[in-house]
Amino acid sequence: GAVVSQHPSWVICKSGTSVKIECRSLDFQATTMFWYRQFPKQSLMLMATSNEGSKATYEQGVEKDKFLINHASLTLSTLTVTSAHPEDSSFYICSADRTAAAEQFFGPGTRLTVL
Amino acid sequence: AQSVTQLDSHVSVSEGTPVLLRCNYSSSYSPSLFWYVQHPNKGLQLLLKYTSAATLVKGINGFEAEFKKSETSFHLTKPSAHMSDAAEYFCVVTEPYGQNFVFGPGTRLSVLP
Repeated sequence: GAVVSQHPSWVICKSGTSVKIECRSLDFQATTMFWYRQFPKQSLMLMATSNEGSKATYEQGVEKDKFLINHASLTLSTLTVTSAHPEDSSFYICSADRTAAAEQFFGPGTRLTVL
Repeated sequence: AQSVTQLDSHVSVSEGTPVLLRCNYSSSYSPSLFWYVQHPNKGLQLLLKYTSAATLVKGINGFEAEFKKSETSFHLTKPSAHMSDAAEYFCVVTEPYGQNFVFGPGTRLSVLP
């Protein structure tokens, strides 16, 4: 149990376009989901925390209008990178918190390349 | 505030020899601690976790870690390295039952034949 999926696993887009990444908890309900960003050979950095039915909480330095997060149900959160630029190219990883599990369950990640 | 230090950015061992990846943490609470492994272009896989039960934690693939409160450490060990262990390893600290996962900078493990 506690499987988290992400779609797509990789995406290439042109500069200026928007890209949506989905994060799903497949076999449990996740009140809270998290979005991380990982640059090559670096650690994961938390971008935002999303709670079902409410606005996401963004970490300092993360542009809310650029990285739109929607957590419309207990099993789905989406991250939309708006007007993507080459510097947004990165590995985006989501995770989900299962009540009383005392850990986060991570998705496999989405590789975004902006040309 | 919590923080994690992984003292070695890169560790290289020969196949069949022991592995030691070091992790020190800082936390205002009695923390929960995790080790994750990430293979190239892959997601994170949980190796083991400490959540205030036994201080010696056994994980998957022969890895184990010992929580030492006096040393604020949670070092990861394995008696005998395998080629498939070559990957990036992350130590993570969080409050007990907390959501704020703080990742260490990672240690890249290379295994030489």
